[in-house]
Amino acid sequence: DQQVKQNSPSLSVQEGRISILNCDYTNSMFDYFLWYKKYPAEGPTFLISISSIKDKNEDGRFTVFLNKSAKHLSLHIVPSQPGDSAVYFCAASGRGGSEKLVFGKGTKLTVNP
Amino acid sequence: NAGVTQTPKFRILKIGQSMTLQCTQDMNHNYMYWYRQDPGMGLKLIYYSVGAGITDKGEVPNGYNVSRSTTEDFPLRLELAAPSQTSVYFCASKNRDATEAFFGQGTRLTVV
Repeated sequence: DQQVKQNSPSLSVQEGRISILNCDYTNSMFDYFLWYKKYPAEGPTFLISISSIKDKNEDGRFTVFLNKSAKHLSLHIVPSQPGDSAVYFCAASGRGGSEKLVFGKGTKLTVNP
Repeated sequence: NAGVTQTPKFRILKIGQSMTLQCTQDMNHNYMYWYRQDPGMGLKLIYYSVGAGITDKGEVPNGYNVSRSTTEDFPLRLELAAPSQTSVYFCASKNRDATEAFFGQGTRLTVV
């Protein structure tokens, strides 16, 4: 039973446009949500996170939105750059820095020049 | 600034062989994890540890064993390799009060 779902395996956008990556979750006990970025042959690297008490968190070109009632979050990248081409994983954890991170299957983003 | 270091980077095993995937971190993190990633799938938690001497099963622990004798090291042991264990393995660590974990570069294991 998948607790964190990324229903789009891939996304292609033009350089300079907005990329929107989506993630849904089923467990209402999740307290923190994270996005990781992964290049081929490398480990995932942390990108941005959001606490369940917030609905938006911004870091430069990256913004994460959380809709708790819909159990949905999204990552917006504006403007998209070719270097953003990677696999993006959505992850969730429980309360108070809980030890377990649960990951979605990932979305492969391709930004075309 | 090494972070999380995994060795080896690549390995081919024959069915029934055993091996240990090494993981060490130099950030003094309490929590350490082993994940596996199969093609087209997310990362699935194999085992984790919240401190030296403490380990617990994750989502897919069968066929694996771990130990945590020090804060820095968290080796993953495969006793009888099977083709279903062909995967990329990632070790990660984080502070108890942090939300984000830091990952190693991965070990690509093929069992033939």
